[in-house]
Amino acid sequence: SQTIHQWPATLVQPVGSPLSLECTVEGTSNPNLYWYRQAAGRGLQLLFYSIGIDQISSEVPQNLSASRPQDRQFILSSKKLLLSDSGFYLCAWSVITGELFFGEGSRLTVL
Amino acid sequence: DQQVKQNSPSLSVQEGRISILNCDYTNSMFDYFLWYKKYPAEGPTFLISISSIKDKNEDGRFTVFLNKSAKHLSLHIVPSQPGDSAVYFCAASVTGANSKLTFGKGITLSVRP
Repeated sequence: SQTIHQWPATLVQPVGSPLSLECTVEGTSNPNLYWYRQAAGRGLQLLFYSIGIDQISSEVPQNLSASRPQDRQFILSSKKLLLSDSGFYLCAWSVITGELFFGEGSRLTVL
Repeated sequence: DQQVKQNSPSLSVQEGRISILNCDYTNSMFDYFLWYKKYPAEGPTFLISISSIKDKNEDGRFTVFLNKSAKHLSLHIVPSQPGDSAVYFCAASVTGANSKLTFGKGITLSVRP
């Protein structure tokens, strides 16, 4: 069966520090991968999606970047965090159009 | 511009009664709709979906209704149970768009024992 893991689960970082959130998928090949963010009082916003290794599309301009160095690994990064980057970050995968499977989420607090 | 709208932020119902969660969308290109359920500090889990070729899909206690002319869908939960208390997200996509989902802001459902 397919599983998705992301870490760390919780992160508290000072403004201006770097960020790296990792996500891995097991049990499937060539999945579409996604990073979503849920900010306080807002819905789930798509940040990045990837249809293959080194193929990343950004949905919104922001202080974040994403990379996919391996087929089942998706990384969300920032060189310098802003207060507005705080939120709940979710990695997701899909192989069937329209249905996503989410990871456990990573709570980021920028102070 | 919010393409998927869940205008009611919260809903409280008595255990055993029906819960009706509403969702509206503006993009007429959307042809696939989903509901996700989310508990605090966890990722959303898929609940039920409906294609635009249908107007109803039922799975156990959960039924989703789609009114294309009104660009409106609703999730019915009957009977409601305390374990249904969670945030429910409505989502929509365009078939072939790499599974990119557009989510609403979510509705917090509280089921009172």
